[in-house]
Order: sequence, then structure tokens, then C-alpha cells
Amino acid sequence: AQSVTQLDSQVPVFEEAPVELRCNYSSSVSVYLFWYVQYPNQGLQLLLKYLSGSTLVESINGFEAEFNKSQTSFHLRKPSVHISDTAEYFCAVMTSYNTDKLIFGTGTRLQVFP
Amino acid sequence: EAGVAQSPRYKIIEKRQSVAFWCNPISGHATLYWYQQILGQGPKLLIQFQNNGVVDDSQLPKDRFSAERLKGVDSTLKIQPAKLEDSAVYLCASSPDRANYGYTFGSGTRLTVV
Repeated sequence: AQSVTQLDSQVPVFEEAPVELRCNYSSSVSVYLFWYVQYPNQGLQLLLKYLSGSTLVESINGFEAEFNKSQTSFHLRKPSVHISDTAEYFCAVMTSYNTDKLIFGTGTRLQVFP
Repeated sequence: EAGVAQSPRYKIIEKRQSVAFWCNPISGHATLYWYQQILGQGPKLLIQFQNNGVVDDSQLPKDRFSAERLKGVDSTLKIQPAKLEDSAVYLCASSPDRANYGYTFGSGTRLTVV
């Protein structure tokens, strides 16, 4: 069975500082990986995804994530955060054999302080 | 395109009462999902529809939860009777087909059972 571990439940950071949100997955088959963001009182929005090809994927608002197969990780990074990045971030996995099922991690609360 | 619509946004009920949530997916999306997101946890899949047929309801507590998707469009999720532990955000998501990667989520319904 597949699973996702997000080691940090909360990450406090000052504005303009870099940040990394960690995500590790477990799967015996090849996977597709996703990061979703959830702003207060809103649904989940797809931030970026890895399906194949380049292991480094980027979002339109400056986030990036790198798929590391040997370490089974898909950490999310941003070199300089803004107050508006304050949100809950969820890592999710889907196997290449069962593209219907998204399995989510428990989430990381990113709190950006001025 | 219009997003996934859900209603109501908030609902407070007493335990043992019944409640229903409504979801209207993106037009043309064949697959519809209901997720339960308990505070501090990642979303958990309750049920998946492909058109108006159930694909997976293995995580749905069938003694109290039911869901239907008439005519393969709108869907309703019902809880009867509700328990305190049902307090959560109920998210609806849709995708164009079973092989799509990444769903579109609605804003969710926040249920509080007192």
C-alpha cells in the first residue's frame, strides 16, 4: 500500500526567508507525486505535480519540488516566501497503476511572519 | 470554466441528526470523489463515482453514510445519524477521466456535530 509522510506539522518562517517542506512516500510501484495548497476556509488547489521526465518541477508562484527516487522524497521549496504563502500544504501520491486514487499526507502548516 | 460547487459551506447539527451535502462537479467531468478531512489530518477518500456508478466505497462507513450521483452529474453525501467524530470538512473533487492526474476540489463543507 502507498503512504505519504510529512514530517513537519508546522513550519514557521520569516518573510523573504527560504523554506523547505518535507515529503516522503512509500510505494512498491512507480508513482506520480503532487503538492496541494489549502488557504483558510478554501478547498485544495493543485500547486505542482511530477508525472515523468525532469525530476524538478516548478509552480507559477515560485515553488519548486524535486523528485528523488532513491530517497523516496518530493520536498517542496521556495527561495523567498511571502506573507501570502501562509497556508496548509499537502503532499499526495498516486500510483501509475491506479491513477484514480490520491493518497494524502497529514499536511504542513506554513506560517510566514513579517 | 466554473469550478466544483459545494453547498452548504458550513453546517452545525446535533449528534444523531441527519445532514446532506451537495456537489456539482465541473461540466463534463466523469469522475467524482468525496473526501473527509478531519482537523489536523489529510483528506481521506470516502467514495468515488465514475459517471453514476460507484467505483470505490471501501472507506465509506455504510452504516451511517450514503452517497448517490444521479444521472452522472450532481452528487449528494448523507450522514444519518451523525456522530461527534463526523465533525470534519467534506470535500468534493472531480476529474475528466479515470486516467487524469490531479483533481479539482471544491471549497468544502465544514460540518460541526455538537
